[in-house]
Amino acid sequence: DTAVSQTPKYLVTQMGNDKSIKCEQNLGHDTMYWYKQDSKKFLKIMFSYNNKELIINETVPNRFSPKSPDKAHLNLHINSLELGDSAVYFCASSQGKSRTDTQYFGPGTRLTVL
Amino acid sequence: SQQGEEDPQALSIQEGENATMNCSYKTSINNLQWYRQNSGRGLVHLILIRSNEREKHSGRLRVTLDTSKKSSSLLITASRAADTASYFCAKGKGGTSYGKLTFGQGTILTVHP
Repeated sequence: DTAVSQTPKYLVTQMGNDKSIKCEQNLGHDTMYWYKQDSKKFLKIMFSYNNKELIINETVPNRFSPKSPDKAHLNLHINSLELGDSAVYFCASSQGKSRTDTQYFGPGTRLTVL
Repeated sequence: SQQGEEDPQALSIQEGENATMNCSYKTSINNLQWYRQNSGRGLVHLILIRSNEREKHSGRLRVTLDTSKKSSSLLITASRAADTASYFCAKGKGGTSYGKLTFGQGTILTVHP
């Protein structure tokens, strides 16, 4: 019973391609997040949705577009992939949108752009 | 530089020893959280300490917060090989920042059996 799941786990693709990563949570949470972890292990928030509404939108290239079809799903679409997009992308969820709400992370998607 | 610098970057100890990791930050916070990441896995929440608290305990974990020095420490007592992981501190900022957490680079802890 995976609480926060992501697909795929690994993604290898060529520069210029468009790809999507999917995230689903079965915790009944209202808020979901996308994070990017670079090769030096820095973890940075990209987006957050609360009840399908975008509430956090960090300085991310507009090639990245999140989509939340319902509050249990938050997908990340990336257009025109670049070498610098190679990283591990983590989805997370929390019950509410407060900064004190515990965030539950998925296993990550390792994206490699060649 | 990144908010929340962890120190040391890597720590290697023997089973049974205590492990102490430190985290510093630059701007005001509402709370500070510690997470663990096992190799190839997502992060797991360990403990949260609010800005008006000085110390919290959870099992073998002890977290302190010194807002005057803008620093926090995580102590793991009687470490086990299973504690081997990366440990991250994450700052919940003041103001209306929703669930935005700012993570540091992490401390890689290796506990030798």
